[in-house]
Amino acid sequence: DTGVSQDPRHKITKRGQNVTFRCDPISEHNRLYWYRQTLGQGPEFLTYFQNEAQLEKSRLLSDRFSAERPKGSFSTLEIQRTEQGDSAMYLCASSSPKRGGEGNTIYFGEGSWLTVV
Amino acid sequence: DQQVKQNSPSLSVQEGRISILNCDYTNSMFDYFLWYKKYPAEGPTFLISISSIKDKNEDGRFTVFLNKSAKHLSLHIVPSQPGDSAVYFCAAETSGTYKYIFGTGTRLKVLA
Repeated sequence: DTGVSQDPRHKITKRGQNVTFRCDPISEHNRLYWYRQTLGQGPEFLTYFQNEAQLEKSRLLSDRFSAERPKGSFSTLEIQRTEQGDSAMYLCASSSPKRGGEGNTIYFGEGSWLTVV
Repeated sequence: DQQVKQNSPSLSVQEGRISILNCDYTNSMFDYFLWYKKYPAEGPTFLISISSIKDKNEDGRFTVFLNKSAKHLSLHIVPSQPGDSAVYFCAAETSGTYKYIFGTGTRLKVLA
């Protein structure tokens, strides 16, 4: 079990540039989540996938943000025309199908720090 | 509207003593609760969870208590160790929604 991995861990970009983050979930997990965290706040839900289907998107996910999970394995989160307010840690998480009587625990990767200058 | 609240931004405890971290929620539809620990520049690490059908769950030094009528949960760490110093987040979910709502965290400092 290699855990959830994210790449890159850190990204500094100029305002207006596009950035893309990649997430590789735990191999047997069929659900994949993206969250965003800023200083002093808890993680905020952005979107989640079940296999390759994107099932829900937060209102936080403006039209400059797009997430994909084309083959139901890894996922990418792209931010177009970055703004300084996009500076945050972008967290990916995954979970396996819920077993009877158990809740659905999500496991996070180490996050991708984005700084927009 | 903050559905999950951690009203204590920080907590300091002596090594070996009990740490108690609190969390309140407002949404009565939440039925699964989790605690995560986070070190700086790392992602949150899952610690322990509890379903609303229980009022207590233990895992080693960590125990989570759930009081549904008060919409309150707490995490007890006994005995506290310096390595427990981190930010702790509680999270809540309504089963089947797959949306986890997090509190703003409590920074725990365990003093040696």
